[in-house]
Amino acid sequence: DAGVIQSPRHEVTEMGQEVTLRCKPISGHNSLFWYRQTMMRGLELLIYFNNNVPIDDSGMPEDRFSAKMPNASFSTLKIQPSEPRDSAVYFCASNDRGPDQPQHFGDGTRLSIL
Amino acid sequence: EDQVTQSPEALRLQEGESSSLNCSYTVSGLRGLFWYRQDPGKGPEFLFTLYSAGEEKEKERLKATLTKKESFLHITAPKPEDSATYLCAVQADGSSASKIIFGSGTRLSIRP
Repeated sequence: DAGVIQSPRHEVTEMGQEVTLRCKPISGHNSLFWYRQTMMRGLELLIYFNNNVPIDDSGMPEDRFSAKMPNASFSTLKIQPSEPRDSAVYFCASNDRGPDQPQHFGDGTRLSIL
Repeated sequence: EDQVTQSPEALRLQEGESSSLNCSYTVSGLRGLFWYRQDPGKGPEFLFTLYSAGEEKEKERLKATLTKKESFLHITAPKPEDSATYLCAVQADGSSASKIIFGSGTRLSIRP
């Protein structure tokens, strides 16, 4: 079975540029989660979608961050404009039952903002 | 404030030397506690879910237990392939339906 697929795996860009991270959840999963992982703050939930609808975006750090899920098989996390403090590993996860059930994680996008 | 604390931060064991990892939590109401394993360069991989005090789950050399204030991940006779970072996460009651809090993890290293 294909797991959660994220792209790109690595992204290096300059401050001020727009960054788009992509995620394909596991087929049949109706819940999708975006996380950010840093050494200082660990793994933090950014936003949670259910049936393509954003349910909770309280973890999105600033208006520079936005996420969309146009259909059940694709989601994007966009940062515009990017800043060096956005450097982190961004994970996407999915499941078929919501936040109180185990999640399947992708292998992440390592983002470096210079 | 809801909080999840894991200890120790790092643990080095000899192959075959059993030990336990701790996850202490302070939350308004526990909906579920999760253990994940994370290898370098990979996303977390689900291990166990525990929902109520007294519950236990086992898988190979791992056993997870839960009380009202903490969870333990017991590792029996570990092997080098058990080396990884082990993350604990709590889903808590609150105004946010998806309130999930991860601990900072325990980096486990097993020497052959």
